[in-house]
Amino acid sequence: GENVEQHPSTLSVQEGDSAVIKCTYSDSASNYFPWYKQELGKRPQLIIDIRSNVGEKKDQRIAVTLNKTAKHFSLHITETQPEDSAVYFCAASKKNRDDKIIFGKGTRLHILP
Amino acid sequence: NAGVTQTPKFQVLKTGQSMTLQCAQDMNHEYMSWYRQDPGMGLRLIHYSVGAGITDQGEVPNGYNVSRSTTEDFPLRLLSAAPSQTSVYFCASTSTRISYEQYFGPGTRLTVT
Repeated sequence: GENVEQHPSTLSVQEGDSAVIKCTYSDSASNYFPWYKQELGKRPQLIIDIRSNVGEKKDQRIAVTLNKTAKHFSLHITETQPEDSAVYFCAASKKNRDDKIIFGKGTRLHILP
Repeated sequence: NAGVTQTPKFQVLKTGQSMTLQCAQDMNHEYMSWYRQDPGMGLRLIHYSVGAGITDQGEVPNGYNVSRSTTEDFPLRLLSAAPSQTSVYFCASTSTRISYEQYFGPGTRLTVT
């Protein structure tokens, strides 16, 4: 089955700097890759996603890149702000096949003042 | 819309007891799933359902049963609780016809003593 590896497990960056979180997946049939943000004590919420027919997607300060050949995808957050502090999860899914969504173990992002 | 609701919010069980965690959604989503969240382990898929009458196992199904008799409800049953099942449980739903965003419930914090 699908296996999603996520690195690093913890990341600290100065406010205003950029943060990058990386994920790899094992199943080459996976075609949908979402990123979720979970603030302390809250439920996970989708922040951005990418389909396998796209190499990059951007939404304001957040971008995701996908390399299908290498089976890895990354989340980039620019100009980090205190409210970016949270746990971020990547995931992979075979949309329109078995549909199940498998998550990575998460990255705890700390934005330092 | 209430979105995805879960009951109870908190529960303490003794080893060997059984119970059902309730999950309901009012968005007419066909896909529903259960995850458990443990420190450092991310969100692990327990069971999922692509529609009423259809369920399938995820990554960590042992010790749990599910059923999907209606589109709205997807209860998770713990057959004989064990301390290893102490966790936070999230239910989620998705409309695979529209987008693939998973909407999570608020979670149930379960402690097994």
